[in-house]
Amino acid sequence: GAGVSQSPSNKVTEKGKDVELRCDPISGHTALYWYRQRLGQGLEFLIYFQGNSAPDKSGLPSDRFSAERTGESVSTLTIQRTQQEDSAVYLCASSLGPGGGWTDTQYFGPGTRLTVL
Amino acid sequence: TQLLEQSPQFLSIQEGENLTVYCNSSSVFSSLQWYRQEPGEGPVLLVTVVTGGEVKKLKRLTFQFGDARKDSSLHITAAQPGDTGLYLCAGGAGRRALTFGSGTRLQVQP
Repeated sequence: GAGVSQSPSNKVTEKGKDVELRCDPISGHTALYWYRQRLGQGLEFLIYFQGNSAPDKSGLPSDRFSAERTGESVSTLTIQRTQQEDSAVYLCASSLGPGGGWTDTQYFGPGTRLTVL
Repeated sequence: TQLLEQSPQFLSIQEGENLTVYCNSSSVFSSLQWYRQEPGEGPVLLVTVVTGGEVKKLKRLTFQFGDARKDSSLHITAAQPGDTGLYLCAGGAGRRALTFGSGTRLQVQP
């Protein structure tokens, strides 16, 4: 595709419900990243997928957060039993990888704004 | 834990003025990236610097990586309203995840 796409663009949910966020990376990009951005803040790394390697989950804040990626395509970020502090914009990015590591240019999607009431 | 501090946090200037944004850390990074983010969109990469002391210019934007690779600056000459946005620096170190600063929100008034 032309760029990274994310859905939904906005999600309002009630505390305790599960939510699933979707990311479609740029075709051919082997690396995919999820970040969280709280209002007025920088980006907080969550998880990183590179090809068929085991994902780097070191940024996931709790076991309520999980993510999957099918091959080198779509990824879903799942938040179980949402809490109000989960409210943020969740950004997905992809890059060509491998080899360039974190100096690869990351192309970001527009994000999903999650509001937990 | 590696931290990147950006200053100032917020900057409001008039069109035509110059400005500098700073990104500082006590840690050494192998690379430093600068992004600009507009409301409702994801960040867009502006530049990557990898060599201590490196200076890169992108039209009216000048980026510098400190000699010790612990700090960086972004200088904008003759700012324009189109420069308005959130500027984020991000440090890379090996295979670890990028560390993002908290950002500098720039408002350029016409």
